[in-house]
Amino acid sequence: AQSVTQLDSQVPVFEEAPVELRCNYSSSVSVYLFWYVQYPNQGLQLLLKYLSGSTLVKGINGFEAEFNKSQTSFHLRKPSVHISDTAEYFCAVSDLSAGNNRKLIWGLGTSLAVNP
Amino acid sequence: DARVTQTPRHKVTEMGQEVTMRCQPILGHNTVFWYRQTMMQGLELLAYFRNRAPLDDSGMPKDRFSAEMPDATLATLKIQPSEPRDSAVYFCASGSANSYEQYFGPGTRLTVT
Repeated sequence: AQSVTQLDSQVPVFEEAPVELRCNYSSSVSVYLFWYVQYPNQGLQLLLKYLSGSTLVKGINGFEAEFNKSQTSFHLRKPSVHISDTAEYFCAVSDLSAGNNRKLIWGLGTSLAVNP
Repeated sequence: DARVTQTPRHKVTEMGQEVTMRCQPILGHNTVFWYRQTMMQGLELLAYFRNRAPLDDSGMPKDRFSAEMPDATLATLKIQPSEPRDSAVYFCASGSANSYEQYFGPGTRLTVT
């Protein structure tokens, strides 16, 4: 069964520094990949997604992620973070081998804390 | 601006009481998901509906939880009787037939004392 590992539960970083949040998934079968962001006391919102095509995906708020099939990874990056990027970030995977199932498999989240 | 709505946003109740949470999916979406979020367990899928029919409720404690979709514009999650361990934030999300993207509501924060 597919599983998702977010390697860092907490990532502290200073404002304007670059950041990388790591995500690995277990199965090498065809997948769709997602990053969601959750700001305090809010629901999750889609940051970016990989469905096919270019392995470098750009999302909202200056974030991007790179799909690496051989390493089964989908790491999220931002070259310069802002205080407002402080939030919980979730990586999710959909296992296309599971037929028409629209469920997502979720990582446990990475808490990004941007300090001044 | 289409969005998923959930009511109530906050609920405090005593152990043993019935709790009903409601969700209005985005118009035209035919899949609905109920999640529970806690610090310890993270995001757990409780139930998954497509075209109002339950496809997967394996994550839901069957003895006290129930989920339904009376119509395409309303999904409900009911807990009876509630227990302190049910305290969590419950999210509803909806999606369209041809997409894996899920659109989340703001959540219901449940506290059972």
